[in-house]
Amino acid sequence: QKEVEQDPGPLSVPEGAIVSLNCTYSNSAFQYFMWYRQYSRKGPELLMYTYSSGNKEDGRFTAQVDKSSKYISLFIRDSQPSDSATYLCAADSGAGSYQLTFGKGTKLSVIP
Amino acid sequence: DVKVTQSSRYLVKRTGEKVFLECVQDMDHENMFWYRQDPGLGLRLIYFSYDVKMKEKGDIPEGYSVSREKKERFSLILESASTNQTSMYLCASSSWSGSYEQYFGPGTRLTVT
Repeated sequence: QKEVEQDPGPLSVPEGAIVSLNCTYSNSAFQYFMWYRQYSRKGPELLMYTYSSGNKEDGRFTAQVDKSSKYISLFIRDSQPSDSATYLCAADSGAGSYQLTFGKGTKLSVIP
Repeated sequence: DVKVTQSSRYLVKRTGEKVFLECVQDMDHENMFWYRQDPGLGLRLIYFSYDVKMKEKGDIPEGYSVSREKKERFSLILESASTNQTSMYLCASSSWSGSYEQYFGPGTRLTVT
């Protein structure tokens, strides 16, 4: 069983829509959670980082972690065509391991 | 801003060649990582290093080796390239200072013919 599961999509939404991207995880030791955005043929770019449960907001982006249900979400408000990319969730146990466990990514297209 | 650079964006090599991929980071990070990324398989960790001259195998180390002689530089070596090593190779770095987020380079698209 993969430790971080993510629906690969593709997900297609109209410009201006609210986008919800989700991951589930199985390892209850995970403490740090990240979202990366990856444009085609580029390296992943760190978008959001949260520790433990709760919400974190940065402009149009909100990251949410619910440790009780082992659920990670990224919300994008007022989506733009420039948000079209693959979004990867990641988690780390924080217990001395420097590795991250990545989801496989969800491909998002925002249609003008 | 953290900057991670990789020596080539695109590389074409022949089967059996020895291939060197280089990665340099400018943020004094202790940890460096090499991944490959393939459609449907996601990111897979090849090797990582948490200090100069230290290395640890990741999930798919077979056919690869690494070198870290200086803190800022981490090299991936394909000893004898094979067609199944055609992939996108991504280098990343992170700090020991608690938050574990990794910063990626732009990637090297390697084609082995």
